[in-house]
Amino acid sequence: GNSVTQMEGPVTLSEEAFLTINCTYTATGYPSLFWYVQYPGEGLQLLLKATKADDKGSNKGFEATYRKETTSFHLEKGSVQVSDSAVYFCALSPNDYKLSFGAGTTVTVRA
Amino acid sequence: EPEVTQTPSHQVTQMGQEVILRCVPISNHLYFYWYRQILGQKVEFLVSFYNNEISEKSEIFDDQFSVERPDGSNFTLKIRSTKLEDSAMYFCASTYRVAHEQYFGPGTRLTVT
Repeated sequence: GNSVTQMEGPVTLSEEAFLTINCTYTATGYPSLFWYVQYPGEGLQLLLKATKADDKGSNKGFEATYRKETTSFHLEKGSVQVSDSAVYFCALSPNDYKLSFGAGTTVTVRA
Repeated sequence: EPEVTQTPSHQVTQMGQEVILRCVPISNHLYFYWYRQILGQKVEFLVSFYNNEISEKSEIFDDQFSVERPDGSNFTLKIRSTKLEDSAMYFCASTYRVAHEQYFGPGTRLTVT
């Protein structure tokens, strides 16, 4: 079946630190891959996506590259801010209908 | 910017009672979804809805669950006889077409006592 495994949190960082959240997936075919973010008290928002191998998604300084050979889609940001404190979810869509999510990683950035 | 809205934000109900969770998707969207997240667990897909019928559902979405789009704007999830294990955050989402971004609402926290 389709599944997503992402790095467990919580992750606590200082401002301007480098952030990596690991995400690997299991899927048949060629799924689309996503990172969603959930800020406190809000719904899930799409952060970035990639639809085929070697695609790089980027937004708000975050990047993730679709690596088919390692079945990974790790999220990175070079210099985090306090406002990046949120829960981050890796997800895949095998058929462009439903999304399958990872467990979520809570990130706290301290000033 | 258009957004998906959900009401209520928090619903407390007794076991065995019926609940209806309401969602107003973005107005020109055609595909609608319900997901849920039990505290500390993954966000799980429940059901997708298109053209006034269910297009896909998970094994969680049993006969106790139903969805409806009663008018041109609302999209509802009904749980007929709630169980303790139905306690979760329920998210509604919508999209204009498949392979496009799904826009999520803020969620309804359902607590079954």
